[in-house]
Amino acid sequence: KNQVEQSPQSLIILEGKNCTLQCNYTVSPFSNLRWYKQDTGRGPVSLTIMTFSENTKSNGRYTATLDADTKQSSLHITASQLSDSASYICVCYYNNNDMRFGAGTRLTVKP
Amino acid sequence: DVKVTQSLRYLVKRTGEKVFLECVQDMDHENMFWYRQDPGLGLRLIYFSYDVKMKEKGDIPEGYSVSREKKERFSLILESASTNQTSMYLCASRGWGEYYNEQFFGPGTRLTVL
Repeated sequence: KNQVEQSPQSLIILEGKNCTLQCNYTVSPFSNLRWYKQDTGRGPVSLTIMTFSENTKSNGRYTATLDADTKQSSLHITASQLSDSASYICVCYYNNNDMRFGAGTRLTVKP
Repeated sequence: DVKVTQSLRYLVKRTGEKVFLECVQDMDHENMFWYRQDPGLGLRLIYFSYDVKMKEKGDIPEGYSVSREKKERFSLILESASTNQTSMYLCASRGWGEYYNEQFFGPGTRLTVL
């Protein structure tokens, strides 16, 4: 069954700390994986895309990893800021155009 | 920048009423999508369209219909709203040439059915 599971469901950290969000998937055949950030009251916005051949990709303070063997991806946020408070959604694409969304991780950064 | 507009941010309806949600995109994208988003369940695909007058069912189409008469506009219709359709509704668009399937989302409409 094609599924995407994210953990933790929610996370609270202090400003300036680092954190890592996890995404495990079972979709097949895997095409690529995208992380979205969704601020409260807004639609999701793409942070980064991970293709099958990529292991690590950075976008500012965000670093995504992909292990295609274990079917796991992570999103690491360094030196968190209050503006990082949002939901982070992992989306896996398979069969070229099919996609499956994770339920998201709700991150709260406190001062 | 791609812009996907959902003009209604909040909407309150009563059970049995007809609901019409409209989505407009300005990037000439071929594909448009309607999702609902519920806590703990993530985004679930209701319907999508890959061309004018074309529509395909997503994972949860029951109780919904869609209309795409113009390329830039994709409408979601609830013929008779029910309380279990209370949710956040998100529209998205995607062009065939977009880098690795990137979808662009609207701000969402929070629908409450009383």
